[in-house]
Amino acid sequence: QVQLVQSGAEVKKPGSSVKVSCEASGGTFGNYAISWVRQAPGQGLEWMGEIIPLFGTANYAQKFQGRVTITADHSTTTAYMELSALRSEDTAVYFCARDLRKQLDVWGQGTLVTVSS
Amino acid sequence: DMQMTQSPSSLSASVGDRVTITCRASQSIGTYLNWYQQKPGNPPKLLIYTASNLQGGVPSRFSGSGSGTDFTLTISSLQPEDFATYYCQQIYSSPFTFGPGTKVHIK
Repeated sequence: QVQLVQSGAEVKKPGSSVKVSCEASGGTFGNYAISWVRQAPGQGLEWMGEIIPLFGTANYAQKFQGRVTITADHSTTTAYMELSALRSEDTAVYFCARDLRKQLDVWGQGTLVTVSS
Repeated sequence: DMQMTQSPSSLSASVGDRVTITCRASQSIGTYLNWYQQKPGNPPKLLIYTASNLQGGVPSRFSGSGSGTDFTLTISSLQPEDFATYYCQQIYSSPFTFGPGTKVHIK
């Protein structure tokens, strides 16, 4: 059974970057995609992008193009989401999820990123 | 980007009630739609995939229907553990946008 464990909460200054990790255990890493979804406080869900670790190819929402980089490391079965040029509106919980044929069926616990001066 | 709307944005219901939530896409998406349930402090949980397929382990009181632009999630008999926020997500074209959510409150 696949489990996804994310890195801990972060506090960042505006203009800086944050890199959130998502370690997969169980299953075969690379047989599925990993998607990243964020949720601002009290708000809805926002899809950011995805990566297929087998190919290393990423697909990003246009909104985040140029600011987000999603990568995956087979050796550690870990996916990463890096968001740069942070602003206060990026304060949110960031989730990774297993993307099996576009069904997000296993989720990480979420990582709170707070952007504050 | 594909726009997703949901109605109502919130509803109050009692245990045992039949509840229906509607999701509408800004253009036809076939049956490329998933439904998720989220409780406070938790990640979302997949309930229904490709419009009408029940995810494993999800109670049969949940059902989904629809195609094209209009979709519904139905809870046939609301249980105490069903009070949560429900989101639809289109998986037809990137970015795979979510609806704004429907919060189900206890009446």
